[in-house]
Amino acid sequence: QITLRESGPTLVKPTQTLTLTCGFSVSDIGQAVDWIRQPPGKALEWLGVIHWDDDKRYNPSLKTRLTLTRDTSKNQVVLTMTEMDPVDTATYYCALGPNFQYWGQGTPVVVSS
Amino acid sequence: QTVVIQEPSLTVSPGGTVTLTCAFSTGAVTTGSFPQWFQQKFGQTPRALIYATNGRHPGTPARFSGSLLGGKAALTLSSVQPEDEGDYYCLLYSGSVQVFGGGTRLTVL
Repeated sequence: QITLRESGPTLVKPTQTLTLTCGFSVSDIGQAVDWIRQPPGKALEWLGVIHWDDDKRYNPSLKTRLTLTRDTSKNQVVLTMTEMDPVDTATYYCALGPNFQYWGQGTPVVVSS
Repeated sequence: QTVVIQEPSLTVSPGGTVTLTCAFSTGAVTTGSFPQWFQQKFGQTPRALIYATNGRHPGTPARFSGSLLGGKAALTLSSVQPEDEGDYYCLLYSGSVQVFGGGTRLTVL
């Protein structure tokens, strides 16, 4: 059974940079990892994907602020989002597989001064 | 930017059948949109149900079926159970990125 776990700060200040990590239980997964977020009471929003060959795609509305990187030695993918704003308050999820088969539990992030 | 449209809410009786749809604001959904469907119950992590229009993930009950219907992606639930209540999201592939719909809240009543 593949498990994923998101980790990172639960509170960031406006204008700060958010860094979240998605750790997974297997090595050499050879699959894509997507990031998704969900503001409280709202819909899911796809943020971006990093493929096994390091190809990356980003949500056009976040492209200038978002970076995904992969650390294969640590079995993890890192999301970095700059210029955080209160509207970025959400639960952030990572999902693994070509069809989002496996999801982490999500990590809540509040943006507030 | 691409917008994906779903019914905001639907209600179905236990044992009944309901169809949820998922459309692009402009243009038809095709198999090349690789429609996916997710279920999210209150306070829980989303769960993948359907991929590539009509592929069921392991564990997805057979009463959930995906299709294309009139230029839209569709998720049909047959013999609806009370535990099927929740939010359903579709996800479409468009121009090398993915876009979620706004979700449909399904009430079983």
